[in-house]
Amino acid sequence: QLQLQESGPGLVKPSETLSLTCTVSGGSISSNSYYWGWIRQPPGEGLEWIGSVYYSGSTYYNPSLKSRVTISVDTSKNQFSLGLSSVTAADTAVYFCARLYGSESLPLTYFDYWGQGTLVTVSS
Amino acid sequence: SYELTQPPSMSVSPGQTASITCSGDKLGDRYACWYQQKPGQSPVLVIYQDSKRPSGIPERFSGSNSGNTATLTISGTQAMDEADYYCQAWDSSTALFGGGTKLTVL
Repeated sequence: QLQLQESGPGLVKPSETLSLTCTVSGGSISSNSYYWGWIRQPPGEGLEWIGSVYYSGSTYYNPSLKSRVTISVDTSKNQFSLGLSSVTAADTAVYFCARLYGSESLPLTYFDYWGQGTLVTVSS
Repeated sequence: SYELTQPPSMSVSPGQTASITCSGDKLGDRYACWYQQKPGQSPVLVIYQDSKRPSGIPERFSGSNSGNTATLTISGTQAMDEADYYCQAWDSSTALFGGGTKLTVL
């Protein structure tokens, strides 16, 4: 059974960079049919897609966050990571990692496996 | 920019049918999917590619997508179906979520 687990600091200071890692177990991150993505949810609000990465390193980012986001993949560790720079209180949210069905030759479609989520609070 | 619009809330009596809508310009021309999220939990995919059910999702969940509206239908709604439901689609390589619909079963 595929499992995803987010890890990283739960508290980040304003203007600093938020860094999270998602570890994938029970399957390979190098699968041809899947991207891997980050989605966030501010407390009491809806879901917002941040971006996605393929095992080759190919990425898609939400245009509203693109200038501050970096998503990378480490196939040797079966992990992918999120960096979000210049954070403010508005970036306080539960951050989820998820598997996205799609590839460089298939359309991007749905997120079928999700991590449990990790709350990141931006505060001094 | 492209947007997906859902009603913020709706209620249904146990055993009745709940239909949750998601509206977007020519949404029927692209695939839509639906997620269920209960308090404190991660979202769960309940419908993908408009009308397909993942393994383990009860048959009472069904979906359709035509014109400007995708619809998630829950037949014979049960108390355990009380949750937030989100639609999702893609526009120009950007994933979009609807604002979510809080379904109350009472």
